Amino acid sequence: AQSVTQPDIHITVSEGASLELRCNYSYGATPYLFWYVQSPGQGLQLLLKYFSGDTLVQGIKGFEAEFKRSQSSFNLRKPSVHWSDAAEYFCAVGDSGYSTLTFGKGTMLLVSP
Amino acid sequence: EAGVAQSPRYKIIEKRQSVAFWCNPISGHATLYWYQQILGQGPKLLIQFQNNGVVDDSQLPKDRFSAERLKGVDSTLKIQPAKLEDSAVYLCASSLKPGQGGNSPLHFGNGTRLTVT
Repeated sequence: AQSVTQPDIHITVSEGASLELRCNYSYGATPYLFWYVQSPGQGLQLLLKYFSGDTLVQGIKGFEAEFKRSQSSFNLRKPSVHWSDAAEYFCAVGDSGYSTLTFGKGTMLLVSP
Repeated sequence: EAGVAQSPRYKIIEKRQSVAFWCNPISGHATLYWYQQILGQGPKLLIQFQNNGVVDDSQLPKDRFSAERLKGVDSTLKIQPAKLEDSAVYLCASSLKPGQGGNSPLHFGNGTRLTVT
């Protein structure tokens, strides 16, 4: 069965500093990997996705993520965090076809002035 | 493009009562999903529809939860009777077609927050 681990429940970053959110997955075949962001009281918004090809993927809002098969990881990064990035971030894994997504438990990002 | 619409936004009920949530997906999206998000957890799929047929309901507690999408457009999720552990946010999502192909990401509604007392 597929699973996702996000080791950090909360992370606090100073505004303007760089960010890295960790995600490790367990999946037998080549995974489809996703990062979603959820602001309070809102639904989830897709930041970026990885299916195949270049292991460094670019997303919206200046985010990027790198797929590392050897480490079963798909970490999310941003070079300079803005206060508006404060939200909860979810990593998810799935496959093609009629698959469902399996989400991690999320990482809450707090941005300090 | 209008997003996924859900109602109500909030609902408070007592245990053993019944409740229903409504979802209207993005126009033209054939696939509709209901997810349950318990506080501190990631969303968990309850049921997936392709048009008006059920694709996956393996994690739906069928003794108390039911869902329908009769005309292949909007959908209703019902809980009867509710338990305390059903307190959660219920998210509806839709996609153009099933699976996670590059052109068919999930679009989520803002959810319904259910509190069972």
